[in-house]
Amino acid sequence: GQNIDQPTEMTATEGAIVQINCTYQTSGFNGLFWYQQHAGEAPTFLSYNVLDGLEEKGRFSSFLSRSKGYSYLLLKELQMKDSASYLCAVLDSNYQLIWGAGTKLIIKP
Amino acid sequence: GAVVSQHPSRVICKSGTSVKIECRSLDFQATTMFWYRQFPKQSLMLMATSNEGSKATYEQGVEKDKFLINHASLTLSTLTVTSAHPEDSSFYICSASTGQSSYNEQFFGPGTRLTVL
Repeated sequence: GQNIDQPTEMTATEGAIVQINCTYQTSGFNGLFWYQQHAGEAPTFLSYNVLDGLEEKGRFSSFLSRSKGYSYLLLKELQMKDSASYLCAVLDSNYQLIWGAGTKLIIKP
Repeated sequence: GAVVSQHPSRVICKSGTSVKIECRSLDFQATTMFWYRQFPKQSLMLMATSNEGSKATYEQGVEKDKFLINHASLTLSTLTVTSAHPEDSSFYICSASTGQSSYNEQFFGPGTRLTVL
């Protein structure tokens, strides 16, 4: 079966750095997405990785290792507004998005 | 750019009634639109994929006759929940893509919270 694993919940301090991991087992791979979702709102796109390595975009970076079936989202200089759920999703060989359950990130002052 | 709207944002209805949710791409043509359902503290669950002018492709376990999807134009798709029951209460989210598959980035609407009494 297809499976996306990410921690259910993480807590971090304002101004700090947090890394959210995602491991996947899917039938084929055509890229991995990270989305941010605030409570009661729809997801918003953060990043897309299809090649190994680190993609940096401002305070957010996303890393991919296809051989390990592993990705992480790195958030720097955390702000209170970063409190949200972070969803990892993999595009499989049929170009269907397989979604993880999301990681709820709680930022404390 | 790439704005997707949904209407209504919130709806409360009685059991047995039908509810229509509209999804519009405001500044681009959406070849493909996706309908998701999300229960509290759970991830998105894809219900169906629709391409303009053709029948929607439903995911396994989703009743076609209960969740009617119409994608009449490149900017509008509708989801009608027929004979809604309390277990249909959920957060319904649409997304739109310019590609035939979900390869291209999906742009999400703000979601519709449906409560069936």
